[in-house]
Amino acid sequence: AQSVTQLDSQVPVFEEAPVELRCNYSSSVSVYLFWYVQYPNQGLQLLLKYLSGSTLVKGINGFEAEFNKSQTSFHLRKPSVHISDTAEYFCAGGGSNYKLTFGKGTLLTVNP
Amino acid sequence: DAMVIQNPRYQVTQFGKPVTLSCSQTLNHNVMYWYQQKSSQAPKLLFHYYDKDFNNEADTPDNFQSRRPNTSFCFLDIRSPGLGDAAMYLCATSRDEWGATDTQYFGPGTRLTVL
Repeated sequence: AQSVTQLDSQVPVFEEAPVELRCNYSSSVSVYLFWYVQYPNQGLQLLLKYLSGSTLVKGINGFEAEFNKSQTSFHLRKPSVHISDTAEYFCAGGGSNYKLTFGKGTLLTVNP
Repeated sequence: DAMVIQNPRYQVTQFGKPVTLSCSQTLNHNVMYWYQQKSSQAPKLLFHYYDKDFNNEADTPDNFQSRRPNTSFCFLDIRSPGLGDAAMYLCATSRDEWGATDTQYFGPGTRLTVL
């Protein structure tokens, strides 16, 4: 069965600093990986997804993630964050069926 | 140009009083999902519809029901809300049932309070 682990529940950073949000997955079947962002009191919005092909995936708002099969990781990165990036970030995985498995989320707080 | 709309955004109900949450979509997607998200937790899938076919998750309580009268609308009925049902309820859609590869589009959610 698919499982997704987000290693950090909270990540505080200063504005314009780089950030990495960590995600590890475990699966014995095909792996499809996603990062979603949830702003306060809003639904989830897709940042990026990996289905196949290039392991470096670029998403919206300057985010990117790298699929690393040997380390079973799919970490999310941004070279320079803004105050507006403050949100909850969810890593999710999908296998051979319809179901997405979400991690518990990482709260990114960008401070001035 | 909202794509997935949920009404109301905030719902207050009393313990045991039935409540219905509404979701509509303008994407003409085949699949609609309902998730429950409790504070500081990941969204938990309750059930989904592929067209008119209803698919319940094994651990979804019987207290939760759903209706999809047409492609655009889907309802979540909570027959007898308990205090533990207070949560954000998220509706999502995807083009195909293989949501594992298809992007899911989420509505803004309905925050349910049970008094």
